[in-house]
Amino acid sequence: DAEITQSPRHKITETGRQVTLACHQTWNHNNMFWYRQDLGHGLRLIHYSYGVQDTNKGEVSDGYSVSRSNTEDLPLTLESAASSQTSVYFCASSDPDRNEQFFGPGTRLTVL
Amino acid sequence: GQNIDQPTEMTATEGAIVQINCTYQTSGFNGLFWYQQHAGEAPTFLSYNVLDGLEEKGRFSSFLSRSKGYSYLLLKELQMKDSASYLCAPLSGGSYIPTFGRGTSLIVHP
Repeated sequence: DAEITQSPRHKITETGRQVTLACHQTWNHNNMFWYRQDLGHGLRLIHYSYGVQDTNKGEVSDGYSVSRSNTEDLPLTLESAASSQTSVYFCASSDPDRNEQFFGPGTRLTVL
Repeated sequence: GQNIDQPTEMTATEGAIVQINCTYQTSGFNGLFWYQQHAGEAPTFLSYNVLDGLEEKGRFSSFLSRSKGYSYLLLKELQMKDSASYLCAPLSGGSYIPTFGRGTSLIVHP
């Protein structure tokens, strides 16, 4: 069965370190997204991609970057982790014909 | 920009019916999603409305009025497992990306 996975599921890191969160989908979807979810804010869009070599900034992109070298993967990098980036991160993918998003299980990131 | 308004929390009794409302303002409109999210889990798709009216899917139904910028999710025969957060997410015109409201936390009690 097609799926979308994220790794690691939990991560603790220190301020200033570079962190990369992985997202892998086997739906063969062109569209992929990264969100963060915090109490009181709901899901906020960080970056998104409509296909290989395409990346776009979302609502809260500062301090984050993504790259899309193939259809299946969209890794999210925190260049220099800050305590404000402690959050739960969700990756999602969608088929452009349907727009319905399928979410990964999430990564809980703590920056100390 | 977009403005999405839904109640923060609702409570209901097992076996009852509950309606979760959502009002929105978007730049153009391409449809509206409802997602369910259990605590500690990922959101999962419930419904997608593009045209005005009611769409029924088992115990869950979703209604849309484009002219009023209004949608609701109707849950019938509530079960304890329906305790979750329900996210309203409209799609702006020309976009593939829904904007998520803060969600309504539904608590179902015996």
